[in-house]
Amino acid sequence: GAVVSQHPSRVICKSGTSVKIECRSLDFQATTMFWYRQFPKKSLMLMATSNEGSKATYEQGVEKDKFLINHASLTLSTLTVTSAHPEDSSFYICSATHSGRSNTGELFFGEGSRLTVL
Amino acid sequence: GENVEQHPSTLSVQEGDSAVIKCTYSDSASNYFPWYKQELGKRPQLIIDIRSNVGEKKDQRIAVTLNKTAKHFSLHITETQPEDSAVYFCAASNLVTSGTYKYIFGTGTRLKVLA
Repeated sequence: GAVVSQHPSRVICKSGTSVKIECRSLDFQATTMFWYRQFPKKSLMLMATSNEGSKATYEQGVEKDKFLINHASLTLSTLTVTSAHPEDSSFYICSATHSGRSNTGELFFGEGSRLTVL
Repeated sequence: GENVEQHPSTLSVQEGDSAVIKCTYSDSASNYFPWYKQELGKRPQLIIDIRSNVGEKKDQRIAVTLNKTAKHFSLHITETQPEDSAVYFCAASNLVTSGTYKYIFGTGTRLKVLA
């Protein structure tokens, strides 16, 4: 159990368009999901913490109007990159905590989404 | 702000040798320290973790040590095998009873085990 699915795995878009990435917990409820950005050969940079039913908490330096996060249900969080530009090209990965195992601390990661903005 | 430093960034070892990766954290409130392994093209997966109330934890060939005073924690892999080759990330977090917490990840270590 505790599988997180992320979709799409790869997306290519034109500059100026918006792209939505979905993160779903398939077999558990996730009250908290995290969105990360990973640059090549770099670490996981936390972008925002998404809590079901409330506004996301963004990390310093992350534009909330640029990276819209919605966590409308206990199994789904979405990240929308608005008016994408080439510098937004990156690997975006989500993770979730199992609401039934909140005291274990374990994060369950999605497969990641590689965004390329032309 | 909170910060986690990880060293080395790359590590090559001969098969059968040991590998050690070290991390230092800045937030003294951190009480949970997981290690994640990310194989090429795959998602990170938890391999071992340690809480601040213990100094060492072992699981077969993998062990983690924690020095709260120095704010250091380390991953030790013994008898390395080619399948251990991956990127390893340490993280520090402050688990609270409500289950809400934030992870700060280290910069990652690319381990290569040479056959």
